[in-house]
Amino acid sequence: DTEVTQTPKHLVMGMTNKKSLKCEQHMGHRAMYWYKQKAKKPPELMFVYSYEKLSINESVPSRFSPECPNSSLLNLHLHALQPEDSALYLCASSQGDSWDTQYFGPGTRLTVL
Amino acid sequence: KQEVTQIPAALSVPEGENLVLNCSFTDSAIYNLQWFRQDPGKGLTSLLLIQSSQREQTSGRLNASLDKSSGRSTLYIAASQPGDSATYLCAGSGNTGKLIFGQGTTLQVKP
Repeated sequence: DTEVTQTPKHLVMGMTNKKSLKCEQHMGHRAMYWYKQKAKKPPELMFVYSYEKLSINESVPSRFSPECPNSSLLNLHLHALQPEDSALYLCASSQGDSWDTQYFGPGTRLTVL
Repeated sequence: KQEVTQIPAALSVPEGENLVLNCSFTDSAIYNLQWFRQDPGKGLTSLLLIQSSQREQTSGRLNASLDKSSGRSTLYIAASQPGDSATYLCAGSGNTGKLIFGQGTTLQVKP
């Protein structure tokens, strides 16, 4: 089983809302990632968690707050977003470090009004 | 700083044709090279990963090669099918482990 699941599939929120994106994997992977992908562009790395600790933060604005409650779950908390934050948010996981094959979830399509 | 380029940006071929997608990278200190497929509005599906010590990997009709000295990787698709239509992304991993993606090649296979 190489499945990474993400919820919700779609999310529409206002600029004053607080929402969360969720990601789950049961492959025993110890590294998990958040990517942001704008239309017709490649994914851009936002955060990396390795063994449940934040190891990479690509200078992402503080309105995005990641959380890794345990080795299977990864959340992305959203607050006071801007319309330009509308994008497909992808979660991925890998066996150990970033050199291993990364498996991606289907993504959450976020629209900020 | 690692940069990854994919050529062509778009490709349209008739069904049954063999084709090659190209990926080039600027830093030869690459740890691995991964090829992904992405259908419109969907997540990425991992196709092949080539470790820096390897020269190629094969899976079914797909074959990916890696030449670190020239900074190039190619994805060969044999006997293309309409179901192969998608965007293909290559991504290199450097010493930080961070994946650097190319802009992708959008492939259309016509019946």
